[in-house]
Amino acid sequence: AQSVTQLGSHVSVSEGALVLLRCNYSSSVPPYLFWYVQYPNQGLQLLLKYTSAATLVKGINGFEAEFKKSETSFHLTKPSAHMSDAAEYFCAVSGRGSNYKLTFGKGTLLTVNP
Amino acid sequence: DTGVSQNPRHKITKRGQNVTFRCDPISEHNRLYWYRQTLGQGPEFLTYFQNEAQLEKSRLLSDRFSAERPKGSFSTLEIQRTEQGDSAMYLCASRTPGTSGGELFFGEGSRLTVL
Repeated sequence: AQSVTQLGSHVSVSEGALVLLRCNYSSSVPPYLFWYVQYPNQGLQLLLKYTSAATLVKGINGFEAEFKKSETSFHLTKPSAHMSDAAEYFCAVSGRGSNYKLTFGKGTLLTVNP
Repeated sequence: DTGVSQNPRHKITKRGQNVTFRCDPISEHNRLYWYRQTLGQGPEFLTYFQNEAQLEKSRLLSDRFSAERPKGSFSTLEIQRTEQGDSAMYLCASRTPGTSGGELFFGEGSRLTVL
C-alpha cells in the first residue's frame, strides 16, 4: 500500500521568494512519485515525475523535486515564486504493479503575495 | 491530442435523483481512471478500467455508483439516488498502455452539487 503526507495545507510566500512544498511518502515497493498542480475549477496538470532515473527531477514552470529514499521525501521547490504559481499542489505516489493508480496527498495551497 | 474530455462540467441535482457523467479519454489510452475530489482534499481513487474491463473498484464506490466502459473508449459514471455527501468533483484520467511510471492525464472534472 502507498500513502502520501503533505506537510502544510497552506504555504504563503512573497513574489520572488523560494517556494518549498513538502511531501513524504510511504510505499512497500519502489515508488513512482508525481507532483501535480490544480488551478481553480480545473483538472490536474503534471508538473514533474520521478520514475527511478535521476533523483533530481526538473519539471515545467521552473519547478524541481529531489527524491530522497533515506528520508522518504519528494519535496517540490522553485527558486523564485511568480504570481502565476498560486494554485493547489498535490503530491502523489504510484506503486509498481498496482494498476499504476495514483494515491494523492491532501494538497498544499500556495499563495504568492506581491 | 485533444486531451481528456468530461461532460457535463457542472451538475446541480436534488437529493434522490440519478446523475451520469461521461469521460472521453485520449484516443490511444487504454487505461481509464475515475477519482473523486471533495473540498480541501486530494483526489481519491474510485475505479479503473483497462480497455472495457473494470479491474479495480475502491470501497468508496458504494452500490449506488456504477461505472462502465462498454467499448473500451468512453466511460460513464452513474450515481443513483444521490445524497448530499455525493457533492464533489469527479475527475477522469487516462494513460498510455505499457509505460512504466507513466503519468495520468486528467480531464477538467465534473462538479456535482446535490441539494
